[in-house]
Amino acid sequence: EADIYQTPRYLVIGTGKKITLECSQTMGHDKMYWYQQDPGMELHLIHYSYGVNSTEKGDLSSESTVSRIRTEHFPLTLESARPSHTSQYLCAAAVSGANVLTFGAGSRLTVL
Amino acid sequence: SQKIEQNSEALNIQEGKTATLTCNYTNYSPAYLQWYRQDPGRGPVFLLLIRENEKEKRKERLKVTFDTTLKQSLFHITASQPADSATYLCALAGSARQLTFGSGTQLTVLP
Repeated sequence: EADIYQTPRYLVIGTGKKITLECSQTMGHDKMYWYQQDPGMELHLIHYSYGVNSTEKGDLSSESTVSRIRTEHFPLTLESARPSHTSQYLCAAAVSGANVLTFGAGSRLTVL
Repeated sequence: SQKIEQNSEALNIQEGKTATLTCNYTNYSPAYLQWYRQDPGRGPVFLLLIRENEKEKRKERLKVTFDTTLKQSLFHITASQPADSATYLCALAGSARQLTFGSGTQLTVLP
């Protein structure tokens, strides 16, 4: 039983389309994160939020944007998808303190 | 620059043996270090956390050591099973307390 949900799990889309990857958590955690991971590679932090109306960019520069209007919801949006955006996007949440992350199953995006 | 290195891209061991995975880091002063397991196509799952003032942590068949002088953590799986086959990631909290992940070690336990 997952506590953090990501949709869609898989998405294949054409260049130039706008996409939104959804992430919802039922744990009530304040901290939420988006990581990007290519096959066999490390996770790179692209966005994080410490609470409602708080968002920050991560270490890896990304053309995506995020919003945090509700505690449980942290969607990621790409206004104009490009093939270079093809990757797996992982959403995570953490309770304050030691930053133990609970991850969603991921959204695998392919841009043609 | 800060760097995390995990040993060899892939590690194959025989069932029943102890698997030992290494995580080395440079230019960090982490307050704690975490280990995660990741199965193909899934998100990582938290396994263990060890703080800078702890030398060793155990959980069932798992053991983690943390040597801040050597800047190294070792992750052991005793009595390994084929179900332990996965990629194991270490993660450290950087200056902003954001977790930075290593690229992982892929472990295969052969029956």
